[in-house]
Amino acid sequence: DAGVIQSPRHEVTEMGQEVTLRCKPISGHDYLFWYRQTMMRGLELLIYFNNNVPIDDSGMPEDRFSAKMPNASFSTLKIQPSEPRDSAVYFCASSLSGDGYTFGSGTRLTVV
Amino acid sequence: DAKTTQPPSMDCAEGRAANLPCNHSTISGNEYVYWYRQIHSQGPQYIIHGLKNNETNEMASLIITEDRKSSTLILPHATLRDTAVYYCIVRVADKDKLVFGTGTILRVKS
Repeated sequence: DAGVIQSPRHEVTEMGQEVTLRCKPISGHDYLFWYRQTMMRGLELLIYFNNNVPIDDSGMPEDRFSAKMPNASFSTLKIQPSEPRDSAVYFCASSLSGDGYTFGSGTRLTVV
Repeated sequence: DAKTTQPPSMDCAEGRAANLPCNHSTISGNEYVYWYRQIHSQGPQYIIHGLKNNETNEMASLIITEDRKSSTLILPHATLRDTAVYYCIVRVADKDKLVFGTGTILRVKS
């Protein structure tokens, strides 16, 4: 298995632009998580899905952030409009039955 | 989930055992101790977890005290590639959220 696949690896965008981050979880995993990591705040859980259904989005910072999981093999995290303070590394992780998590390599987002 | 306390940083000589402590004095009876690590620029990686018995796998050993209020992750022969941030997390197994604290920065030096 190729593991959790995230794209793009790096994204540089201008303030105000829409940004879409993508994630393909491990086949057969029923949980998917989106995390954000910054030096100031560490690793923060933004939202997670179980069987494609959003369960807890209490970590989503504001309405500019949205996440979808249209099917078991794909999820997106969208920021619209983006701001410089959104600059961070965004990780996607998946797990089977909520146990051991497998993380992707992350997307490094820079908003200028 | 119960809080954990870890030292902010530790050093270890290459080839020696690295012993990383974690305090979790408010742990509940059904909560497991999980360890993850994050090597620079990579996503966190699962290492090991346990409830009350000591556990060992190909990566590490986990020693949990009898009262379960603390634990130690042991890397038996640390290498330079073990330099990473190590996170100790307490959670109910299969419970949904994995919440990361600040962890311990382990520096393995030659």
